[in-house]
Amino acid sequence: EADIYQTPRYLVIGTGKKITLECSQTMGHDKMYWYQQDPGMELHLIHYSYGVNSTEKGDLSSESTVSRIRTEHFPLTLESARPSHTSQYLCASSVLGRVGTGELFFGEGSRLTVL
Amino acid sequence: AQTVTQSQPEMSVQEAETVTLSCTYDTSESDYYLFWYKQPPSRQMILVIRQEAYKQQNATENRFSVNFQKAAKSFSLKISDSQLGDAAMYFCAYRSNRDDKIIFGKGTRLHILP
Repeated sequence: EADIYQTPRYLVIGTGKKITLECSQTMGHDKMYWYQQDPGMELHLIHYSYGVNSTEKGDLSSESTVSRIRTEHFPLTLESARPSHTSQYLCASSVLGRVGTGELFFGEGSRLTVL
Repeated sequence: AQTVTQSQPEMSVQEAETVTLSCTYDTSESDYYLFWYKQPPSRQMILVIRQEAYKQQNATENRFSVNFQKAAKSFSLKISDSQLGDAAMYFCAYRSNRDDKIIFGKGTRLHILP
């Protein structure tokens, strides 16, 4: 079982609220990712990080922001949630580069519903 | 740009039978990884099997095996003796060793019929 944790698992909030989805991993991985999973289950990369103080935008434009102040922690924030932000958000981590097996380790996901 | 295509959005198989999920990819690179991930309903995505492109031998993990055809850029997953717990979304993924980019296919939903 992977040591990567996401909280909350489920969140229902009203429009305009600020939310933060937490993601933590205890494997010491440098690279971390946030994916948005649409109702058809397709995965869209929205943010990633190579390490502390590194954040990059992914392939899908997102109004969310991320930070990486500590290696193990990669929170995602929405300043003002809207119904269009309703989705499943998956956090993942991996070893950077060719070291290790190359696989991604995923958290259990955070399902966000904005009313 | 690299692409990963899973042409079967959904598949069904009878319990204890064998099923093959298809995946093709496109790349100009020679050094990469290929993966199959499993996402059970409302549960964590986990790695099923991985293949390094420079290895000719097909990877096997218990009931799961792959048919890796590098020249054809094909990477299918065979599940033998299907079990109810195999019901899930299966994602094929490509990881470049040049720029560390990861590409996922759109997934195949596998149903196991009792």
